[in-house]
Amino acid sequence: DTGVSQDPRHKITKRGQNVTFRCDPISEHNRLYWYRQTLGQGPEFLTYFQNEAQLEKSRLLSDRFSAERPKGSFSTLEIQRTEQGDSAMYLCASSHRRGANTGELFFGEGSRLTVL
Amino acid sequence: DAKTTQPTSMDCAEGRAANLPCNHSTISGNEYVYWYRQIHSQGPQYIIHGLKNNETNEMASLIITEDRKSSTLILPHATLRDTAVYYCIVILQMDSSYKLIFGSGTRLLVRP
Repeated sequence: DTGVSQDPRHKITKRGQNVTFRCDPISEHNRLYWYRQTLGQGPEFLTYFQNEAQLEKSRLLSDRFSAERPKGSFSTLEIQRTEQGDSAMYLCASSHRRGANTGELFFGEGSRLTVL
Repeated sequence: DAKTTQPTSMDCAEGRAANLPCNHSTISGNEYVYWYRQIHSQGPQYIIHGLKNNETNEMASLIITEDRKSSTLILPHATLRDTAVYYCIVILQMDSSYKLIFGSGTRLLVRP
């Protein structure tokens, strides 16, 4: 499968614990995005990378959240001291900067987080 | 980016055309209209996009009004697998981030 893959697909954790999600984008896609989606709502933009550079962060991304893309390939999203309000689906997407249709993002199936 | 307005929900019969409207009355001249859909428990999927002209691909057709203040996504022969939430998004093509700002979308139910 050459699509965007995310791991783990499901994570249940206790409040206060740290969690980390990994995203492997489509090969050679230089843009990578993280979104968060709660039940009944559309996805909310969190942050995006071009290659290894994190170029934009939403104000939704509190200081408990950190995202990295160290070599411009896979990315990790870490949430420290999780809170029940962090329970959501975390979606990763990738795209290629060049080309006519640069607004086409390819999404993974998401990582669902449940904080007890 | 321009905001969009979509009906909360719609339904249509299997095999019939599904016409999903979107209002983007504040769209500017260099903003594109994109449509995505999200089937339950999956990530969003790109459908189609356009600037001024009507567009068609293997999935759908996009009709943009002449004043560009609204558009309609047409699924010509809806199937049960088309049941999903459909998002209309307007983005500035020259925006280097190309980040998508999703609204609440239209929940389309295709009835057998």
